[in-house]
Amino acid sequence: ETGVTQTPRHLVMGMTNKKSLKCEQHLGHNAMYWYKQSAKKPLELMFVYNFKEQTENNSVPSRFSPECPNSSHLFLHLHTLQPEDSALYLCASSQDHGGPGELFFGEGSRLTVL
Amino acid sequence: DAKTTQPPSMDCAEGRAANLPCNHSTISGNEYVYWYRQIHSQGPQYIIHGLKNNETNEMASLIITEDRKSSTLILPHATLRDTAVYYCIVRDYGGSQGNLIFGKGTKLSVKP
Repeated sequence: ETGVTQTPRHLVMGMTNKKSLKCEQHLGHNAMYWYKQSAKKPLELMFVYNFKEQTENNSVPSRFSPECPNSSHLFLHLHTLQPEDSALYLCASSQDHGGPGELFFGEGSRLTVL
Repeated sequence: DAKTTQPPSMDCAEGRAANLPCNHSTISGNEYVYWYRQIHSQGPQYIIHGLKNNETNEMASLIITEDRKSSTLILPHATLRDTAVYYCIVRDYGGSQGNLIFGKGTKLSVKP
């Protein structure tokens, strides 16, 4: 138990569906992150939020839409995805973005796009 | 891009020390060396980090060479549960410089 909870753990969706991934952290952290891990590829940083404000978007397609309503919650809204978007999506949090504290990761949401 | 080079895989006998090397020859003076590991299909887990001096905690030891161009993570008594992919990452602090950028890591297999 890392203090970062992701739901759902598994999701299967069609290319025309709209779904959302949810992340919640109980650590009192101010920064939250979305990473993507495709099969046999390194983790890729997607988005960074610091004090609820998006500070980084690493050229992520618009079919992925993040939302951070408060420092404890982070969502990734999914719309019109492609089969190549199938991956493990990992949420993480840290005390502050870019600070010395380590990142705490959730268990991930495994997404399959049919 | 990741700034580190690690062997793709290593084996270790259960109960023996696992020594995982990492090359970071272009590390700058402000960058720290971090180690994370990822057990199959789980989120990465922080292990240890250091700047210049060797560090030890309940999980592992980190040995950084004097020129800081390489380091070694040591798991003193490896168990089967230490089988995982180990990532060596260099990072600075402050905004984007503090981002954790993962490479391919070393897949450590601990065998009975």
